[in-house]
Amino acid sequence: NAGVMQNPRHLVRRRGQEARLRCSPMKGHSHVYWYRQLPEEGLKFMVYLQKENIIDESGMPKERFSAEFPKEGPSILRIQQVVRGDSAAYFCASSPPSGNGYTFGSGTRLTVV
Amino acid sequence: DQQVKQNSPSLSVQEGRISILNCDYTNSMFDYFLWYKKYPAEGPTFLISISSIKDKNEDGRFTVFLNKSAKHLSLHIVPSQPGDSAVYFCAASVRNTGKLIFGQGTTLQVKP
Repeated sequence: NAGVMQNPRHLVRRRGQEARLRCSPMKGHSHVYWYRQLPEEGLKFMVYLQKENIIDESGMPKERFSAEFPKEGPSILRIQQVVRGDSAAYFCASSPPSGNGYTFGSGTRLTVV
Repeated sequence: DQQVKQNSPSLSVQEGRISILNCDYTNSMFDYFLWYKKYPAEGPTFLISISSIKDKNEDGRFTVFLNKSAKHLSLHIVPSQPGDSAVYFCAASVRNTGKLIFGQGTTLQVKP
């Protein structure tokens, strides 16, 4: 049973480009969560999604950031017009409907140059 | 507004001794507390959790203690092993939301 799969592992974007981060949850998990870790800090909650629904996006920056979890395919975190301050590690986690058994992926390290 | 705080950025202990990692919180709406271990370039790995209605949970070398009156929890690792060297994050589950609030992390180094 594969764990939470995130790709790419590393992503380099120039300022102003778009970044797309993908997350495939564990088999049987229908809930997906995105977290961001800035250097020397803990993980900060961004968004919680179920299939075709955004449940809680209280941690998402108001502009340029969006997330989706379509009926088919992985969850996508999209960052438009990236800036240097977006450089961070972005972690996805998934859980079953009960919410217990949170499992994290290995993360995507975004570097904006 | 940091609701979960780990005030020690780092801790160094000798192999075989006890490691004690501490965490403080400010919100009473947390229903579970969790500890995660993280190696560089990897995602956090779940270690152990405790319900807010308990005061102790033990799993092998790992024990978590919860002091609700002090809003403080601690992770004890005994005996410590070099392979325990990693960053440890305390996290709190916000009741009925699915959301975790993380502390800043403590880097543990266990010396052989």
